[in-house]
Amino acid sequence: GQSLEQPSEVTAVEGAIVQINCTYQTSGFYGLSWYQQHDGGAPTFLSYNALDGLEETGRFSSFLSRSDSYGYLLLQELQMKDSASYFCAAGNNRKLIWGLGTSLAVNP
Amino acid sequence: DVKVTQSSRYLVKRTGEKVFLECVQDMDHENMFWYRQDPGLGLRLIYFSYDVKMKEKGDIPEGYSVSREKKERFSLILESASTNQTSMYLCASSITPTGKYGYTFGSGTRLTVV
Repeated sequence: GQSLEQPSEVTAVEGAIVQINCTYQTSGFYGLSWYQQHDGGAPTFLSYNALDGLEETGRFSSFLSRSDSYGYLLLQELQMKDSASYFCAAGNNRKLIWGLGTSLAVNP
Repeated sequence: DVKVTQSSRYLVKRTGEKVFLECVQDMDHENMFWYRQDPGLGLRLIYFSYDVKMKEKGDIPEGYSVSREKKERFSLILESASTNQTSMYLCASSITPTGKYGYTFGSGTRLTVV
């Protein structure tokens, strides 16, 4: 079957670095995406990795290893506003397969 | 600013009613998707469409149908609403289904069936 696994909850403090891991099992894999969703809000697109390696966008970076079917989202210099749910999603040529989400709590 | 607009933010319907959820995008995207989101279950794909008048079943299509008569509009229909369809419904559109350029989501419709 097709599935993604990511931790259900992560807690960190302001200013710290946190890594959210994602392993996937998807046929016809194109790339791995990350989305952020605040309570009551819609998911918003953060990043997409199609090739192995690290992509950096400001405080957020995303990594992919296709050989390991693994990726992670790295959040640096955490701020209170980063408290949200983070979803990884694996894309094929028809749709995204979604993980269940990781709830990140950033404490002062 | 690119937009996906869902017609209602909150809806309350009675069991057995036929319910229409509307979604409109202004980005000329070919791909559109309907999801429902429930606590602990993530985003579950109901139906998607990659072109006008084309549709494909997602993972949980039972009890739902869709219509895409125009490129910009994708409608979700609950044929006979039931209480287990109480949920947050999210519409999304994209240039490509692979996720390369991101999916843009609407604000969601929180549907309560009583």
